[in-house]
Amino acid sequence: ETAVFQTPNYHVTQVGNEVSFNCKQTLGHDTMYWYKQDSKKLLKIMFSYNNKQLIVNETVPRRFSPQSSDKAHLNLRIKSVEPEDSAVYLCASSSPGQSSYEQYFGPGTRLTVL
Amino acid sequence: TQTVSQSDAHVTVFEGDSVELRCNYSYGGSIYLSWYIQHHGRGLQFLLKYYSGNPVVQGVNGFEAEFSKSDSSFHLRKASVHWSDSAVYFCAASIRTQVVGQLTFGSGTRLQVYA
Repeated sequence: ETAVFQTPNYHVTQVGNEVSFNCKQTLGHDTMYWYKQDSKKLLKIMFSYNNKQLIVNETVPRRFSPQSSDKAHLNLRIKSVEPEDSAVYLCASSSPGQSSYEQYFGPGTRLTVL
Repeated sequence: TQTVSQSDAHVTVFEGDSVELRCNYSYGGSIYLSWYIQHHGRGLQFLLKYYSGNPVVQGVNGFEAEFSKSDSSFHLRKASVHWSDSAVYFCAASIRTQVVGQLTFGSGTRLQVYA
């Protein structure tokens, strides 16, 4: 049963364009995350965010930015995409404390940069 | 920082076989460990986690994992696999003192179960 929703499923764009991906969770969680999964299936945390703290992975380029309107939504904006941004972007959410290590994932958004 | 390594990129078994997927971590402090499964074209699904107590933890669908501090391992096991267990399995670790649960994932093990 899906409780973390991501749109779009796929997106194809050209170098230099701006893109935005949406994520919504209906679990009542207060922490949300964005991960990048490359073509070799390697997963890396990009951002984690709750109402108190935004943690940014230091390796994430500045053209990436998270945007949150409330605790159920955490969107991802890429200002000017590069070919290396082609990947699957996974959104996740969790409860606070010890439960934050049990995360619920959306199906992902596959980005292809031409 | 902690690292997670999964030494087997691919594991192939037949339905009904037992399987063990290996995970080793490196970190000197207290750590949370977990396993996730990713079926083709889908997001990750939580299987189980360990943070203290009984080193053998039970998860969904008959999976279990055993924590070993001496070996720095958290291997995943299943006594009798089904073809639907074919997926990529990720081991993940997180430092307990972190404010929010940022996970560090291993490179994944692709399990192929033949009927």
